[in-house]
Amino acid sequence: EVQLLESGGGLVQPGGSLRLSCTASGFKFNNYGMYWVRQPPAKGLEWVSGIYGGGTNTFYADSVKGRFTISRDNSKNTLYLEMNSLRAEDTARYYCARNSGQNFFDSWGQGTLVTVSS
Amino acid sequence: DIVMTQSPDSLAVSLGERVTINCKSSQSVLYSHNNENYLVWYQQKSGQPPKLLISWASTRESGVPDRFSGSGSATDFTLTISSLQAEDVAVYYCQQCYSTPLTFGGGTKVEIK
Repeated sequence: EVQLLESGGGLVQPGGSLRLSCTASGFKFNNYGMYWVRQPPAKGLEWVSGIYGGGTNTFYADSVKGRFTISRDNSKNTLYLEMNSLRAEDTARYYCARNSGQNFFDSWGQGTLVTVSS
Repeated sequence: DIVMTQSPDSLAVSLGERVTINCKSSQSVLYSHNNENYLVWYQQKSGQPPKLLISWASTRESGVPDRFSGSGSATDFTLTISSLQAEDVAVYYCQQCYSTPLTFGGGTKVEIK
C-alpha cells in the first residue's frame, strides 16, 4: 500500500523558514516524480513544486520560485520542501503527492499545516 | 498558464438525483499525438486529502463506483454522478495535466438537499 507521510509544518513568522518532509513507503520511490500541492484554509488546490524521480529536474509555481526548493533523498525515500522568505499567503496545508507519470496525482499524504503569522 | 474554470461553485441535490459538474479550460488539453485529453477529476471529502477519481477525462480509477463518469474533450468537460449517494458529499476538482504550471479548477461543493 502506498503511504505518504508529511511532517515539519508549524507556525512561523513572516520572513521565516521551514523545511517540510514527506516519507514514502509501499512503492519504488525513485521510479516516481513527486510533487507538493498546497491548500489554503477553506480554499482550493494549488500546485507548488515537482521533482523527477532521479532528482535532476525540478519545477516551481511562479508564486514560490526563488523562495522554495524541492529536493529528494532516494536512499531515505524522502521528499523535502525548503521554504524561505515565508509570507502570510503561504499559509496552507501542504500535501505531498505522487506523480502517476502523466502529471496528475494518484496518491496523496494527509498533509502538514503551515501557518505564517506574527 | 491554462486557467481551469468550474461551475457551479456549489450545488445541493436530493439523494438519488443526478449531479453534473462542468470544467472549462482556457486552451485545449487534447494532445493530438495520442488523442488523449489531459484532464483529471479529484474528490475531496471534508478533512481528507484529494482522491483521484477519473483520469484522461473519462477513465475511472480502480474502485471508483460506476455512478461516476467523465466526459468531454478539448476545452469542455463534465463530471456526472448518476445517482447521488450520501457518501458523495465532497468538493470536486478538475486539473489539467497538459502543461506546467499544473492548474486546478476552483472546486465544486456537492451537498445533499
